[in-house]
Order: sequence, then C-alpha cells, then structure tokens
Amino acid sequence: EPEVTQTPSHQVTQMGQEVILRCVPISNHLYFYWYRQILGQKVEFLVSFYNNEISEKSEIFDDQFSVERPDGSNFTLKIRSTKLEDSAMYFCASKGSNSGNTIYFGEGSWLTVV
Amino acid sequence: AQSVTQLGSHVSVSEGALVLLRCNYSSSVPPYLFWYVQYPNQGLQLLLKYTSAATLVKGINGFEAEFKKSETSFHLTKPSAHMSDAAEYFCAVSDSGTYKYIFGTGTRLKVLA
Repeated sequence: EPEVTQTPSHQVTQMGQEVILRCVPISNHLYFYWYRQILGQKVEFLVSFYNNEISEKSEIFDDQFSVERPDGSNFTLKIRSTKLEDSAMYFCASKGSNSGNTIYFGEGSWLTVV
Repeated sequence: AQSVTQLGSHVSVSEGALVLLRCNYSSSVPPYLFWYVQYPNQGLQLLLKYTSAATLVKGINGFEAEFKKSETSFHLTKPSAHMSDAAEYFCAVSDSGTYKYIFGTGTRLKVLA
C-alpha cells in the first residue's frame, strides 16, 4: 500500500540552527500538509499546500517556517532558526483527489532542539 | 469554526471489558469524522472514518464508532479490550472544503490485566 515517507525519523539540533524536514507524499496526491505534536499534547495543523502554494496556515506557522515542493516528489518543511519550543513530532500528510476527505499521515519526524 | 472535544484524557479498562472513548464535535457543516490511534513513539494510524454514509462505522482491530447527529457525537467502542489496544486515541473532524483536520486532545487508553 502506498505510504507517506518522512526523513529524518529523529533529528537533534542546536537552538538557532536551520532544520529541513523532508516528506515524500503518496504518488499522484495533490494536497499536502504539515502537522505538529508537542510531546504529550494534541496534533496541531501547521499548513496546507496545493497547486504549488500555501492554501491555509495556522497561527503557529510564522515567518520562521516555510514549505516547498522543490521537485515532483518531495515536500519540505524548513524551520529557519529553531527555538526550544519547536521540539515536537512533525507529521507530513497528503491527500489525493480521489480519497475524499481522508488524508494519509507519515510516521513523523521527531525534532529535538537543545 | 470546527472543534472536537474528547472527554477523559485517560481511560482504564480491564482486559476483556468494553472500551468506550468519547468524542463530541462542533461543526456548522456536515462533518467528516475520524479516529486515529497512536502507539508510543509511532505515527498516526487511521482506525475508522465517517463520511456521511452509514452512521455505524466499523474500523480495524474490532473498533467501531457511531455517528449521532442529534448528540453531535462520534464515540469509539470495542466490545472486548485487548492488551494491545493500549495507546493514545485521537478524534478528528474536517469539512469538505478545506480538508484540514482538527484533532481532539486525545485519550490515553490503559488496559489492565
């Protein structure tokens, strides 16, 4: 079964450093998402991306965050200058035009900022 | 705005007992509702989803949920708990326009031997 893949599975970075989290959505999917889950808390929406542009973003998704689809297969989340509070699990998700309202999540990338 | 409320951040049941995890939603449009399970240090696995077809939805691992519009609820049940069901369960709602999911705060299920 096709799945969303994310790399790295775990990354430790120093505060102030830039981080890029990578995702390979399911082939032929057109809608892409990033969600965040701080340890012990609920999963929160960050951003949705469609037709090569951001379609919606949350308050969390401030200027230090950016997303990009650099080629036909990858979807990346960049955090420009990481803060301690950015430590969280980041989930990528994708949706196809034929999958109704069901989006498919990756296994997550655990980011630890020290 | 849509929202989801999960009553009970922690639920404990004995092995073999009924599992009932509560989810109430708020939506101004017909909602799409989902239950996800998350095992420790793992990702989100879809258990089941309601998409306006049958109100009683069956999912994986013996779980099912019933959509009750009058009660704005979508509670998750399983007749007989198994030790392997111990995990965190998240209810989520989306609408047909944005496809964005709003998650509840989660319920951690503990199964006692």
